[in-house]
Amino acid sequence: SAVISQKPSRDICQRGTSLTIQCQVDSQVTMMFWYRQQPGQSLTLIATANQGSEATYESGFVIDKFPISRPNLTFSTLTVSNMSPEDSSIYLCSVSLWDLTGTKSYNEQFFGPGTRLTVL
Amino acid sequence: DQQVKQNSPSLSVQEGRISILNCDYTNSMFDYFLWYKKYPAEGPTFLISISSIKDKNEDGRFTVFLNKSAKHLSLHIVPSQPGDSAVYFCAARMEYGNKLVFGAGTILRVKS
Repeated sequence: SAVISQKPSRDICQRGTSLTIQCQVDSQVTMMFWYRQQPGQSLTLIATANQGSEATYESGFVIDKFPISRPNLTFSTLTVSNMSPEDSSIYLCSVSLWDLTGTKSYNEQFFGPGTRLTVL
Repeated sequence: DQQVKQNSPSLSVQEGRISILNCDYTNSMFDYFLWYKKYPAEGPTFLISISSIKDKNEDGRFTVFLNKSAKHLSLHIVPSQPGDSAVYFCAARMEYGNKLVFGAGTILRVKS
């Protein structure tokens, strides 16, 4: 498995501002994933972040709203820009077990503790 | 379009009895299925998985069954313990992909 930490653990922000969430992994991984869990909803993949290339965004998510950085193999940031109350969610980063072991027979993803964001 | 569905929002079970959590999917291109457990204020924790080429995988008290023809999987927890009380998410992976598609989750309460 992996130890994944996220900062901040929670925040309350004003409408129109931006928040950058950090994700740190204790192992080098090629891919990091960013998910969102809106209140009462399931986890939804926002984007996949590969080191050295642009992040790949899922349908419904755009780079201008959720810019992602991936400066090295253990760290990534997700920014939630120009926030509105609809952005109030838990944001989670994850990594793939396949990536950690180099074994392609598994694809369990390990998640960080999440960042609980409330936008007023 | 919900490709992975958990139709029971909640389930209450007596300690020591069996808990059965169900999950249905619609996309036949899914080839790998996972169950995650989530406690409040924590990230999801991987529990157990199953490949589409199998119909059963067991790990201690946890067993996952897959019925491909019905596009249905279930998680059995025997015996249930109060510490099992959490939200359980079913997830599916597309063949040759890394993306996980999650169900909405089922809240399991195990009463002592």
